[in-house]
Order: sequence, then C-alpha cells, then structure tokens
Amino acid sequence: QVQLVESGGGLVKPGGSLRLSCAASGFTFSDYYMSWIRQAPGKGLEWVSYISSSSSYTNYADSVKGRFTISRDNAKNSLYLQMNSLRVEDTAVYYCTREPDGSGTSMDVWGQGTTVTVSS
Amino acid sequence: QSVLTQPPSVSAAPGQKVTISCSGSSSNIGNNYVSWYQQLPGTAPKLLIHDTNKRPSGVLDRFSGSKSGTSATLGITGLQTGDEADYYCGTWDSSLSAVVFGGGTKLTVL
Repeated sequence: QVQLVESGGGLVKPGGSLRLSCAASGFTFSDYYMSWIRQAPGKGLEWVSYISSSSSYTNYADSVKGRFTISRDNAKNSLYLQMNSLRVEDTAVYYCTREPDGSGTSMDVWGQGTTVTVSS
Repeated sequence: QSVLTQPPSVSAAPGQKVTISCSGSSSNIGNNYVSWYQQLPGTAPKLLIHDTNKRPSGVLDRFSGSKSGTSATLGITGLQTGDEADYYCGTWDSSLSAVVFGGGTKLTVL
C-alpha cells in the first residue's frame, strides 16, 4: 500500500545538524511533489519545505530558509531534509507528505513522523 | 500566529452536527482550494477534505467541506466519540508562496 516512512530524528545540540530521510513505497514516487511538515510539541502544523517531482523547484518557510535543504533521489524513492544550524525552536515531529497535484493546497499521504529534539 | 484562523475548540453531543470555520484572505482561501485534516490523539494527520469539498476514498460522507469568499467550513454530522480529534485547515498562500495552516480546532464530543 501507499506508505511513507521517516527516519533520522533524534537529540541534537543547538547549532548541530541532522539529516531526515523518508522512504516512499506503493506509488510512483517520481510523479509527485513532496513536502516536509512539522509539529512542535502541543502546537499546530507548520509547513517546512517542498520539492517538485524532478527536483527543479524547491521552496522553504522563512523560519528555515538558509538552514534547511530539501532533496530527493527518485531512483531510491527517497526524500531528504538536511537540517543545519538547528535551534531549540526546531524541536518538533517532522512529517514527510505527498502532494497529489503540486498546487500546495493538500497533502494526501503522511508518514508517521520522526521526532527532532534540539536541546543542550 | 497562524495565517488561517480557526476556533480553538468546539463541542457537541453524539449524533449532533458541528461546523468548524477557517478564515483567511484573498491570497489564500479566497483564490485557492482548501483542505482539511483530522489528527487523532497520538497519530499523524489524515487528509479529510481536498479541493475544498472533495472527500478522498474511504472518508465517510458525514464529513463535508465548503467555502464562501475568504472563509471555509468543515461540517461533521452524526457525531461519534471517535471523531474527537484536532482538525486543521490548509491551503496555498499566493502572496507568501507558502503552504499555510490554521491553528487547529479541538473537537470534543460530549
């Protein structure tokens, strides 16, 4: 079945780096835009970044621009998020999501999430 | 502060109907499709409504979506205790060039 599985979360000190991965299965990964969405503890959803199906287009929330980099490997059916210069406020569950039409108006498949904790 | 505004909480009795509002502007809801997500406790969000009023396969017709101007509404009929969850609206904001969400609404079925 259609599935997204995130990995790579963990505890990191402020200023540190972490690389999240998302393994996709059950659909033609290379046909879809993909996004990362995060949710801080007890808070709402916050969009982080998206990437087009061929990696031609990427976009980032202002809160992570210049620190995070989204990428994908269509041959490996995988999505990535390189997070540098991490801050305490980046602490959140990070979800990998699929965008059905690339319009940014909906995410139809969500992973289970991976937890990132930034603390000294 | 979220770009889209939702009430923090709503409540209703089992079997009743409830609506959840989502207010935005012309740069987001006013000119783009709206989606709604259900997040049950301890789980990932699930797409409930897309393209403002369309249900993905498997979503019951007790859930409906609508839009008027710069506001969108999620309706849930025949409330069940299993519907207790956080509900989020989302869309694209053309001015911000970003995906935006509401702050979420906690539904309590009394």
